[in-house]
Amino acid sequence: DAGITQSPRHKVTETGTPVTLRCHQTENHRYMYWYRQDPGHGLRLIHYSYGVKDTDKGEVSDGYSVSRSKTEDFLLTLESATSSQTSVYFCAISESVGVTQYFGPGTRLTVL
Amino acid sequence: SQQGEEDPQALSIQEGENATMNCSYKTSINNLQWYRQNSGRGLVHLILIRSNEREKHSGRLRVTLDTSKKSSSLLITASRAADTASYFCATGSSGAGSYQLTFGKGTKLSVIP
Repeated sequence: DAGITQSPRHKVTETGTPVTLRCHQTENHRYMYWYRQDPGHGLRLIHYSYGVKDTDKGEVSDGYSVSRSKTEDFLLTLESATSSQTSVYFCAISESVGVTQYFGPGTRLTVL
Repeated sequence: SQQGEEDPQALSIQEGENATMNCSYKTSINNLQWYRQNSGRGLVHLILIRSNEREKHSGRLRVTLDTSKKSSSLLITASRAADTASYFCATGSSGAGSYQLTFGKGTKLSVIP
């Protein structure tokens, strides 16, 4: 998976609790992305980063925040998890825009 | 909003046959990419075709792009059981100072040994 790890790989949590997912890369790529994958919707972009401390919103950013304090780490936080955020979350990286994105193995999150 | 839409949603073929998947999109693009996802795994990049290219090959894969029809096709020749996976097209487009890759919902391919 191109030097990308995600943690945790599986998580079950309760509605209203905060959750942080971590994406770590060893490729020194500038761009990092968080997607969610749901049946019937494909992959949808939540947030992305184009450098340390530089982030922007994607298509489905409501209820999510991100932070990138180091090139190698991109954190996705659900401040107060809801059942609608039950999904599989994928991190991806790319060297620049308009090129191949490399995906991590995914995190399966269940919000009860 | 989904940019690319794959067709068919599911495809079942015998090993050795060719598999063709189609992708249609709505707005202008910089490039179009195809990805494969095995069950329970992350996506793996297969091929990227730029908007000024019409056809591209990679091993048993052949991708075509028709920007006038806003469509692309992925052909897998001489399919193998290991090709069983979901295949996604993703359109890359830029605007308002940013670039985004927008994925379709995928075609689920089953190759029967």
